[in-house]
Amino acid sequence: DTEVTQTPKHLVMGMTNKKSLKCEQHMGHRAMYWYKQKAKKPPELMFVYSYEKLSINESVPSRFSPECPNSSLLNLHLHALQPEDSALYLCASSQEGTENEKLFFGSGTQLSVL
Amino acid sequence: QKEVEQDPGPLSVPEGAIVSLNCTYSNSAFQYFMWYRQYSRKGPELLMYTYSSGNKEDGRFTAQVDKSSKYISLFIRDSQPSDSATYLCAIGETTDSWGKLQFGAGTQVVVTP
Repeated sequence: DTEVTQTPKHLVMGMTNKKSLKCEQHMGHRAMYWYKQKAKKPPELMFVYSYEKLSINESVPSRFSPECPNSSLLNLHLHALQPEDSALYLCASSQEGTENEKLFFGSGTQLSVL
Repeated sequence: QKEVEQDPGPLSVPEGAIVSLNCTYSNSAFQYFMWYRQYSRKGPELLMYTYSSGNKEDGRFTAQVDKSSKYISLFIRDSQPSDSATYLCAIGETTDSWGKLQFGAGTQVVVTP
């Protein structure tokens, strides 16, 4: 299994809603990531979890709250988002060791904030 | 100045032609070089990974790295319409970069039948 699975594929939410994005991988990777990608732009790193601990937070607003319940799962909790937060949210994972730069991405969640 | 420069295109080629993509970078500490392919509204897919100067070939794809010129390239031979996608270069600094890759802007490629 070489897949990173993200759900839901599409999400529409209002600015007062609370929703969660989910990500799962079964490759034994010990690092997991959240990226945000706007149309025709490269992915931007948001959070990195290494061994289930948050190791990098790229100054992301607190309305985005990550959670890593175990080594295979990664969640992104969303609350009080703004329309400018509409984007493709990508989860990725990588293995430990000398090839931890190799990121395996999921298909993403296309988020629209109304 | 961005650390990684990549022409966003679009680059349109006829089926069967060679597609040539490139990125330049400014930080000589970069050691790891990758190319990702991204179809519309999908996640990026890793195509090529290399950490040394020279060429690396995988099927119709060849990645080339010239560290002295800080220049990387991706060539796609015998291009197919299914190769139509955005191609992103991504560069990492050390083995501890943990996803802190520097992505190029991505080049949109269109292969016409």
